[in-house]
Amino acid sequence: GAGVSQSPSNKVTEKGKDVELRCDPISGHTALYWYRQSLGQGLEFLIYFQGNSAPDKSGLPSDRFSAERTGGSVSTLTIQRTQQEDSAVYLCASSFLQGAPSYGYTFGSGTRLTVV
Amino acid sequence: DQQVKQNSPSLSVQEGRISILNCDYTNSMFDYFLWYKKYPAEGPTFLISISSIKDKNEDGRFTVFLNKSAKHLSLHIVPSQPGDSAVYFCAASARGGTSYGKLTFGQGTILTVHP
Repeated sequence: GAGVSQSPSNKVTEKGKDVELRCDPISGHTALYWYRQSLGQGLEFLIYFQGNSAPDKSGLPSDRFSAERTGGSVSTLTIQRTQQEDSAVYLCASSFLQGAPSYGYTFGSGTRLTVV
Repeated sequence: DQQVKQNSPSLSVQEGRISILNCDYTNSMFDYFLWYKKYPAEGPTFLISISSIKDKNEDGRFTVFLNKSAKHLSLHIVPSQPGDSAVYFCAASARGGTSYGKLTFGQGTILTVHP
């Protein structure tokens, strides 16, 4: 597609349940990033995939969070045993790692997760 | 440890006037800086960037200034338009090393431009 696609756009889940968030990056983009924005907060880095290299997981807040990227394309962010503090907008972005004049990411519209 | 800080949560300006959004950083390894704009229910969109080898970059109504010694950058919007009303995020990257490609964002500043 033309842009970064995320699904679902909204997700309401009960505390303790597991959720999966999906990201389809722009075709050909080698780098994929997950960020989240909690209410009143900035964009918090979660995880970064670059080509075939080991992902940078340094931003994952706990071991309940995991992510994978299959075939260098689609990525899934999984949150196990969700807690209320996990409520946030989860944003995915992709980019060409090198060569893009802007060096910027293209973001998806995000998944708004609400844990009740 | 907030490495990129936007100390003004909000800014209100009149249409036609200049908007100045500020950003400070602490990591001296940062060498590339970007501004993103975000409308409600949308993802952030890239606005303008600047490399540390420059102190100014201009694109239409948008100019970014970088003061490396002060570890400070600012975004100027002239003239401001109501459609510029959005949340503006400052971001920084260290292009070398293992964090290559990873952006660190500030908390954002809500800009409101009044007609």
